[in-house]
Amino acid sequence: GDSVTQMEGPVTLSEEAFLTINCTYTATGYPSLFWYVQYPGEGLQLLLKATKADDKGSNKGFEATYRKETTSFHLEKGSVQVSDSAVYFCALSTSSNTGKLIFGQGTTLQVKP
Amino acid sequence: DSGVTQTPKHLITATGQRVTLRCSPRSGDLSVYWYQQSLDQGLQFLIQYYNGEERAKGNILERFSAQQFPDLHSELNLSSLELGDSALYFCASSAETGAGYTFGSGTRLTVV
Repeated sequence: GDSVTQMEGPVTLSEEAFLTINCTYTATGYPSLFWYVQYPGEGLQLLLKATKADDKGSNKGFEATYRKETTSFHLEKGSVQVSDSAVYFCALSTSSNTGKLIFGQGTTLQVKP
Repeated sequence: DSGVTQTPKHLITATGQRVTLRCSPRSGDLSVYWYQQSLDQGLQFLIQYYNGEERAKGNILERFSAQQFPDLHSELNLSSLELGDSALYFCASSAETGAGYTFGSGTRLTVV
């Protein structure tokens, strides 16, 4: 079945460090791919998305490129801030008509000053 | 404010009881999705409604049920509650399938 695998956390970085959170997927058809962020005590917020191969999603300095050949959608940011500390979820929505999201297990990011 | 409203924010109840969680979707969104977030299972899709009709069902227990009303708000009913049902329950809405979702802030259910 369809699934998403994220790198295990927690990831601890110093402020201004480069961030990569790996995400790979297994899906039939041509899924849409998403990154969501969850700050402590809050719901999930859409960070960025890509709907077809080679698309790059970007928002707030975060980027991810839909790589069909490697079935990956890695999240990157050039310089993290303390305020980026949160849990990051990679997700896919299959091309079926249901629209449900399938999530990875989440990766906790902690940024230290 | 994401536009998706969930009530209550917190709920503490005893085993064997029944609770109802409520979700009002973002204005104009016809689809409502329910997810359960627990430490051991992560984020699990429970069920989807589209314009009042059930569209997809995921890992939803038989003790759980949901519905979407004509005004598009949705309710998730959890009955015969067990300790393992303690989790965060999120509602999300979307205007079209596959377009991404707007999540509510969740209802934290604690079963004691």
